[in-house]
Formats: sequence, C-alpha cells, structure tokens
Amino acid sequence: EVQLVESGGGLIQPGGSLRLSCAASGFTVSNNYMSWVRRAPGKGLEWVSIIYSGGNTYYADSVKGRFTLSRDNSKNTLYLQMNSLRAEDTAVYYCATVGRSRYFDGSWGQGTLVTVSS
Amino acid sequence: EVVLTQSPATLSLSPGERATLSCRASQSISNYLAWYQQKPGQAPRLLIYDASNRATGIPARFSGSGSGTDFTLTISGLEPEDFVVYYCQQRSTWPLLTFGGGTKVEIK
Repeated sequence: EVQLVESGGGLIQPGGSLRLSCAASGFTVSNNYMSWVRRAPGKGLEWVSIIYSGGNTYYADSVKGRFTLSRDNSKNTLYLQMNSLRAEDTAVYYCATVGRSRYFDGSWGQGTLVTVSS
Repeated sequence: EVVLTQSPATLSLSPGERATLSCRASQSISNYLAWYQQKPGQAPRLLIYDASNRATGIPARFSGSGSGTDFTLTISGLEPEDFVVYYCQQRSTWPLLTFGGGTKVEIK
C-alpha cells in the first residue's frame, strides 16, 4: 500500500527554523517527482516545492532562498527544511507524489501543521 | 508566474442542481489545467486533468471544459458529498506549479 506520512510540524517563533519529514512506503521516493503543497488557514492551496528523480529542486517564489527540499534515499524519506519562518508560512503542509502527467494524480500525506507565532 | 483566479469564491446551491465553477488564467496555459476536490480534514483528490479528462474513478457528473485562459468545472446533479471545496491547478509553467484560490460549494 502506498502511504505518505508527514511529521515535524509544530509551533515556532518568527525567524525560526523547522524541518518537516515525509516518510514514504509502498513505492520509491527517488523514482518519482515529489512535492510539498501547503494550505494556510482560511486560504487555498499553494504549491511550495518539487524534487525530480534526478535531484533537481524548484521552489515557489514565496519560499525561495528560505526553504530547502531534499531526500534520503536510504530512508525513503523527503524533507523540507524551513528557515527564516514568517507568520504567513503558517499552514498545513502536505507532501504528495506528482505523476508523469505532471499533476497530483497519486498519493498525498495527511498533512502536518506549522504555526509561526510569537 | 501564472495566476489562476477562481470564481465565485462561494457557490450556494441545492442538492440535484448543476454547479458551474470557473477558473481563469492570467495567460494562456493551453489545456494544462486540473481540478481537485478537497473535503474537510482530507487531502485533495484529482477530478479532471488536461482540462477535460476525468481521472480514474471519478463519477460522470463531473466534467471539465476550456482552453487558453478560461476553464469550467461542471457538476451536473449535486450529491450531498459534493458540497466541499474545489481547486484548479496549472502545469503550463512546469516545474513551477500554481493553484487557484478555490471555490466552496455550499448547501443553499
């Protein structure tokens, strides 16, 4: 069974750092496009970042230079390192597979809540 | 950056009625548009891809149309479980992706 489980969310002060994890089972992370999407309270979905099977990464302008997407192939896990956090980064963060269609046609995690507040 | 504008923000309808949701792109995106449904507490689910193709397992009451900058999701005959939030998403600027702001379909 394909499954994605996020962890690492929590309450963090503005300017702080947090690392989210997304543990995958039932498939190999490094063979797929993997992405993070977030949903702020009362707002819509926002694409955050994507990693190719070859390791190339891309980011939304809103997080470029502050967030870093990586993976550990031995652990079949995706990571999102978030630095210089702002109040507007408060959201539920989802990891998801992106299919060859280049849409989110596969699996999503259940999400992990990040709250940036003093 | 391609900006997707969804309208209306909220759509109030009764079960059995037809819902028409709009997604407008700030520049032409050909047919590279998808629609997702998100229920409370759940992750989004793909409904329509490449503007008009239903994803696997999606009921026939969901249909999509459009190309260029104007797209429509139609739900013909709303079921009780359809009163949730819908998003459009474009892949024209792959790998940079964008979502619309969402439309909430609520019971009138």
